[in-house]
Amino acid sequence: GAVVSQHPSWVICKSGTSVKIECRSLDFQATTMFWYRQFPKQSLMLMATSNEGSKATYEQGVEKDKFLINHASLTLSTLTVTSAHPEDSSFYICSAWGGGGGSRETQYFGPGTRLLVL
Amino acid sequence: GDSVTQMEGPVTLSEEAFLTINCTYTATGYPSLFWYVQYPGEGLQLLLKATKADDKGSNKGFEATYRKETTSFHLEKGSVQVSDSAVYFCALSDRRTSGSRLTFGEGTQLTVNP
Repeated sequence: GAVVSQHPSWVICKSGTSVKIECRSLDFQATTMFWYRQFPKQSLMLMATSNEGSKATYEQGVEKDKFLINHASLTLSTLTVTSAHPEDSSFYICSAWGGGGGSRETQYFGPGTRLLVL
Repeated sequence: GDSVTQMEGPVTLSEEAFLTINCTYTATGYPSLFWYVQYPGEGLQLLLKATKADDKGSNKGFEATYRKETTSFHLEKGSVQVSDSAVYFCALSDRRTSGSRLTFGEGTQLTVNP
């Protein structure tokens, strides 16, 4: 099956610093990538949808200046949490979608990045 | 809009017990249906999927049948193992109404005891 990686898997940072999380599709080209946030014992909350070469589409209530998304290539999307604060501590998960029909019409998820802001 | 409703958890079973996790959906179009599994501290893994009515998805002993008449996609396994302990998410996507976006249920925590 398709593989999606995320880096780093764990990050601890000081309040006020910025953190970049990478999401890569390893064996397929992802026309669309999604970024989710998950709180403990809860479902995934979609933050934004990014399409390669265009601006990300943010969900209502998600600050686009706070969570910068770049989808520069068909295999890489990055999420930068700018000026992180303790309330940004969460589990961030990306997924990649290859588009088209058949077996590619599926989202494949990365392993997640746990962010702790002190 | 589209929505997914899962049976409330947590669910606790003994090893080799029969598992059913109910999932019903509301969609205006013709969605594809998915079950994802999340093991502790990890991302989501696709467990199985079905793309049209009466399709049965199956993987690792788990099965789910796309029932359009009851708008359901219940997950079943005949004999669970301790290693099946995880959170299970039912989801749908409808390319005609929402593109590639997934709509998730709330998730069901399954614990299997030896």
